[in-house]
Amino acid sequence: GAGVSQSPRYKVAKRGQDVALRCDPISGHVSLFWYQQALGQGPEFLTYFQNEAQLDKSGLPSDRFFAERPEGSVSTLKIQRTQQEDSAVYLCASSLARDHEQYFGPGTRLTVT
Amino acid sequence: KQEVTQIPAALSVPEGENLVLNCSFTDSAIYNLQWFRQDPGKGLTSLLLIQSSQREQTSGRLNASLDKSSGRSTLYIAASQPGDSATYLCAVRFWGSQGNLIFGKGTKLSVKP
Repeated sequence: GAGVSQSPRYKVAKRGQDVALRCDPISGHVSLFWYQQALGQGPEFLTYFQNEAQLDKSGLPSDRFFAERPEGSVSTLKIQRTQQEDSAVYLCASSLARDHEQYFGPGTRLTVT
Repeated sequence: KQEVTQIPAALSVPEGENLVLNCSFTDSAIYNLQWFRQDPGKGLTSLLLIQSSQREQTSGRLNASLDKSSGRSTLYIAASQPGDSATYLCAVRFWGSQGNLIFGKGTKLSVKP
């Protein structure tokens, strides 16, 4: 595909459930970022991958959040034991390298009930 | 703390008007600055990327300027159209980060026909 894709686009989870959000970056993009966007706010950084290496996870809000990119392409963000405060849009972005322009996917809107 | 601020939070203008959106950042040690557009329920579309060595970038009716010493950037939109209605986000990559962007909260623009 031409752009970054994310799935699912919408996810409703009951509090306490585990969820997995997928990101397919642009082919050949080395860098991959995850951001969290609460309603009415700008996106906030969660974690960064360079190929398969997770180089920065300083933005992950708790140890319930886990991300991986095992083959340096597709990435998965997993949230365990979801809480209501996890409700947000989760955005994935990729770039050729970390200093290049970032291209964003459409996001996954997570609602925890 | 590295922060990005955007004013105004919302702006409503009649079609055809030229307008300026403002972005300020707390640390002048930046690597680059990116302006995005976000339509309701959608991801982010990159509009312009300005490297720290540049003073401005232009794309069609859009012109973005950068003044590192004063910690400011402006996005100028000429001859606004109803299709320009969206939220505009400013994002900064600061030196010392792994490449992640720090976002402002955005300016919600409404262009009335």
